[in-house]
Amino acid sequence: GAVVSQHPSRVICKSGTSVKIECRSLDFQATTMFWYRQFPKQSLMLMATSNEGSKATYEQGVEKDKFLINHASLTLSTLTVTSAHPEDSSFYICSARDGDREGGETQYFGPGTRLLVL
Amino acid sequence: GESVGLHLPTLSVQEGDNSIINCAYSNSASDYFIWYKQESGKGPQFIIDIRSNMDKRQGQRVTVLLNKTVKHLSLQIAATQPGDSAVYFCASPGGNTPLVFGKGTRLSVIA
Repeated sequence: GAVVSQHPSRVICKSGTSVKIECRSLDFQATTMFWYRQFPKQSLMLMATSNEGSKATYEQGVEKDKFLINHASLTLSTLTVTSAHPEDSSFYICSARDGDREGGETQYFGPGTRLLVL
Repeated sequence: GESVGLHLPTLSVQEGDNSIINCAYSNSASDYFIWYKQESGKGPQFIIDIRSNMDKRQGQRVTVLLNKTVKHLSLQIAATQPGDSAVYFCASPGGNTPLVFGKGTRLSVIA
C-alpha cells in the first residue's frame, strides 16, 4: 500500500515552454501533497504544500507564478513549470500523505521526474 | 524551511558487515520518526518508523534505535548488501507540517 506515482519520469523541453508533472496516490486518498526539488548531490528542498481543494502554500523563495500547483482531487496533484529555463532543470519529487487517518502523518514519495530544459 | 547542506556525510561499509547510520534531532516534543532510503535517480522510500513510546523496532535486516534522552536515532542494517547503497534520511513529521530533510548520509557498500 501507500504507492505514489509520477508522470512523466523524465522530460526534456525547450527554454520558454511549460511542463506539467502529475503526481498520483494510487491506493490512498492524499489530503495533503507536497512538491520537492533536488539538485545533484543535495538534499530535497520543499517547494510547496497543497491541500485538496485549496491553494498551495509556497516556501520562501519559490515563485508561485512560475510553479503552478493544482490539487483538484484527493488522488491527483499537478506541478506546472511555466516558461521553463535551464536553471529549472532539476529532479522534482512529489509526496503525499493521508492526514485523516491514524498514523497518516507518514509521507510517501513518488519516483521523481527528471526535468531538463535546453 | 531549514537550510540543507551541500555535503552529505558518507559511510563506507564492506559487503556483509553491519552498517550504523546516526541521526540527531533537536525537538524533544518529536514523537514519531521515519527513516527513508533514496537510491540514485529515485524518490525517497520508506524503510521503517518508530514512535517515542518505543526505543527499538526491528524490520527485515534493519533496526531503528531511539534514545530520547540524548535525542538520537540510529538505523542499523545487518549484513549490508550492494543494494543498500543509497542516501539515508531520518525525519520526524510533526502533525500537519511537511517533512524537511537534512543532509542525509550516503552509504557506499564495498564489494
